[in-house]
Amino acid sequence: DAMVIQNPRYQVTQFGKPVTLSCSQTLNHNVMYWYQQKSSQAPKLLFHYYDKDFNNEADTPDNFQSRRPNTSFCFLDIRSPGLGDAAMYLCATSRDSEGAPYTDTQYFGPGTRLTVL
Amino acid sequence: AQKVTQAQTEISVVEKEDVTLDCVYETRDTTYYLFWYKQPPSGELVFLIRRNSFDEQNEISGRYSWNFQKSTSSFNFTITASQVVDSAVYFCALSEARSGYSTLTFGKGTMLLVSP
Repeated sequence: DAMVIQNPRYQVTQFGKPVTLSCSQTLNHNVMYWYQQKSSQAPKLLFHYYDKDFNNEADTPDNFQSRRPNTSFCFLDIRSPGLGDAAMYLCATSRDSEGAPYTDTQYFGPGTRLTVL
Repeated sequence: AQKVTQAQTEISVVEKEDVTLDCVYETRDTTYYLFWYKQPPSGELVFLIRRNSFDEQNEISGRYSWNFQKSTSSFNFTITASQVVDSAVYFCALSEARSGYSTLTFGKGTMLLVSP
């Protein structure tokens, strides 16, 4: 089945130690998104890739970076995790609307729950 | 600016009860899309439905039904004969119609607890 996969499902890191979360997709969607979701809150968009074009949300901290080496994979790098970065990180994908005023559905992966010690 | 309000923070029902989750939205766009997602305790956001602003037909899918009313800017979700497996947080979301990528404005979510 086509899907969005995130690894690992659970990640524990130490304060200040860089960590990378990964996302892969078999849907062949050209848009990929990273969300941060803290406890009892709605997901918050960090950034997205439209093909290779990177788009950062204005309030995403510089501590968060992303890489997309190819269509299928996207990585979230947290350079120096703080205690406040403990959260669920969700990856999502959608298709290009091909120039039309149209919105495709975002499909989410299972998430990576990050703990910062 | 777009806004989605889910006024019910938490709802508790007993199995087999019907339950309605409310969603009210604000947008200046004439073309927009509304979504419902389910987030069980495992954490994955599961897509349930997408509705565009020109399609006001109600939809039924098994025990799930959705009532879209542009006149009241509401997109409510009803679960009939609820089951324990329906326990989850449900998010309503709104997106403008645009080319390229989509941007979702989420409500704060409603936690549904279904007890046996």
